[in-house]
Amino acid sequence: EPEVTQTPSHQVTQMGQEVILRCVPISNHLYFYWYRQILGQKVEFLVSFYNNEISEKSEIFDDQFSVERPDGSNFTLKIRSTKLEDSAMYFCASSLYNQPQHFGDGTRLSIL
Amino acid sequence: SQELEQSPQSLIVQEGKNLTINCTSSKTLYGLYWYKQKYGEGLIFLMMLQKGGEEKSHEKITAKLDEKKQQSSLHITASQPSHAGTYLCGAVRSGSARQLTFGSGTQLTVLP
Repeated sequence: EPEVTQTPSHQVTQMGQEVILRCVPISNHLYFYWYRQILGQKVEFLVSFYNNEISEKSEIFDDQFSVERPDGSNFTLKIRSTKLEDSAMYFCASSLYNQPQHFGDGTRLSIL
Repeated sequence: SQELEQSPQSLIVQEGKNLTINCTSSKTLYGLYWYKQKYGEGLIFLMMLQKGGEEKSHEKITAKLDEKKQQSSLHITASQPSHAGTYLCGAVRSGSARQLTFGSGTQLTVLP
């Protein structure tokens, strides 16, 4: 069964550094998403992406965040200048129109 | 904003027992999704409900969306240790939005 894959599984970064989280969505999916889950808290929506542009974003997704689909298979989340509070599990998801979102296993981001 | 309340927050049952998890929304649900999450892992899609009164089953798990579309229940029959994990309900907040808002989750432990 096709699945969403995320790399790396764990990323440790110094505060203030840039980090790029990578995702390979399911190949025929058209909608792509990033969510995050701070330890012990709810899964929170960050951004959705369709047709090479952002379609929705939350208040969390401020100017330090950006997303990109650099080629036909990858979908990336960049955090420009990481803060301690960015430490969380980041999940990528993809879907077809009006169909369930399928999630990857996540990247655990630890900011030191 | 869409708020989802899940109950109970945690549940410990003996193997073979039935159980029900509830998800209540403060607003009309346009789509309700149930996911399962094991600790430190990604979200596994279980079921999607869109129509009031809809009921779906997969193996020993049944999910329902009430007629007024503000509450959903997830019922597990004859629970097994493999059912253990955190169950999350997620909702789409309008007909055009795609972002999912999640509840806090129900942590299920099944004792052998």
